[in-house]
This record gives sequence, C-alpha cells and structure tokens, in this order.
Amino acid sequence: KQEVTQIPAALSVPEGENLVLNCSFTDSAIYNLQWFRQDPGKGLTSLLLIQSSQREQTSGRLNASLDKSSGRSTLYIAASQPGDSATYLCAANTGNQFYFGTGTSLTVIP
Amino acid sequence: GAGVSQSPSNKVTEKGKDVELRCDPISGHTALYWYRQSLGQGLEFLIYFQGNSAPDKSGLPSDRFSAERTGGSVSTLTIQRTQQEDSAVYLCASSLLTGGVYGYTFGSGTRLTVV
Repeated sequence: KQEVTQIPAALSVPEGENLVLNCSFTDSAIYNLQWFRQDPGKGLTSLLLIQSSQREQTSGRLNASLDKSSGRSTLYIAASQPGDSATYLCAANTGNQFYFGTGTSLTVIP
Repeated sequence: GAGVSQSPSNKVTEKGKDVELRCDPISGHTALYWYRQSLGQGLEFLIYFQGNSAPDKSGLPSDRFSAERTGGSVSTLTIQRTQQEDSAVYLCASSLLTGGVYGYTFGSGTRLTVV
C-alpha cells in the first residue's frame, strides 16, 4: 500500500521568506502527484498537478518538483505571504485513488 | 456546475440516526470519490465511482456506510445508525477521467457531528 509522508508537520516563517515543503511516497509507480491547500474548516483547493512524466510544475510563486525514482516531491513557495498560511497536502495517485499525506501546517508571520 | 457541490455543509445528528450526504460533481466528470477527514487525521478513502462500473468500496469502514451514484452524476453517502466516531468532515471529489489523469477537484465538504 502507498504510504505518503510530509515533513515538517508544522512550519512557521516570517513574511517574505522562501520555503520548501517535502512529500515522500513509498511506491514510485504513480500516475501523478497533486498538491493541495486546505484552509481551516474548508475543503481542498488544488495547487499543482505533476504528471509522472514531468519533473516540475509552476504556478505563480509556487513550484512543485517530482522525482519518482527517489519517491519525493517538493513544493517551493517564494516570497511567502500571510495569506499563504494554511495546511498543504500532497497526494500520490496510483490509479483508483489518491493517497494523501497528513499535511504540513504553514504559518506565515507578518 | 462550475465546481463540486456538497450538501449540507454542516450536519448535527443524534447517535443512532441515519444521515445522507450529497455530492454533485462537476458536469462531465466520470469519476467520483468520497473521503473522510477526522479531526487531526489525514484523508481516508471511502469509495470510488467510475462511470457505470461497479464502485470500489474497499475504504468503507463498516456496513453502516453505503453510497450510490445515480445516472452517473449525483452521489449520496448514507451512514446508518450513526456513532460518535463517525464525526468528521466528509469530502467529495470528482475527476474528468479514470485514474485522476487530470487530478481531483474537491467540494468544500460536509461537517458531520454526531452527539
């Protein structure tokens, strides 16, 4: 069974700092990997989707990378803002379902 | 519709009652998923529908849980004889194609509280 781990579980940074969130998965036979954001009491908002054939995807200040062979993905957030405060989840897709990590709770301090 | 719609957004029920949660996926999305998120826990897969195929029910925690999808669109998750441990946020997601090739789109969830 696919196991997805996210490190760190929580992160607090001052506004303006660049940061990296880590995601690792045990089964490299994935179709794609998706990063989500979850605000308190809300559903999940998709940030980036990386197909298994891709190495990275970028959207604005966000850049996600994927290294299937090592079972790792990173989400890079540039010039963090207080509005980036949320829980970030990665999910590895093995076909019928996505397996989710438990998330990294990010706080950006003004 | 423009997004995945779930109703109700909040539901408080007494222990032992039955509840129905509704999910209206994005129009044209053939795949529909239900997940559960308990307080402080990760997302737990419940059930997956793909077109007219038999659903993957491997994640349903007990026979008190069931789900159906009518006409390949709207889905209803039913929990019978609710227990306090059923309290969680129930999230629905849809995907354009099988295998989530284009990723998931999630609804905003139904927060279920069993008292």
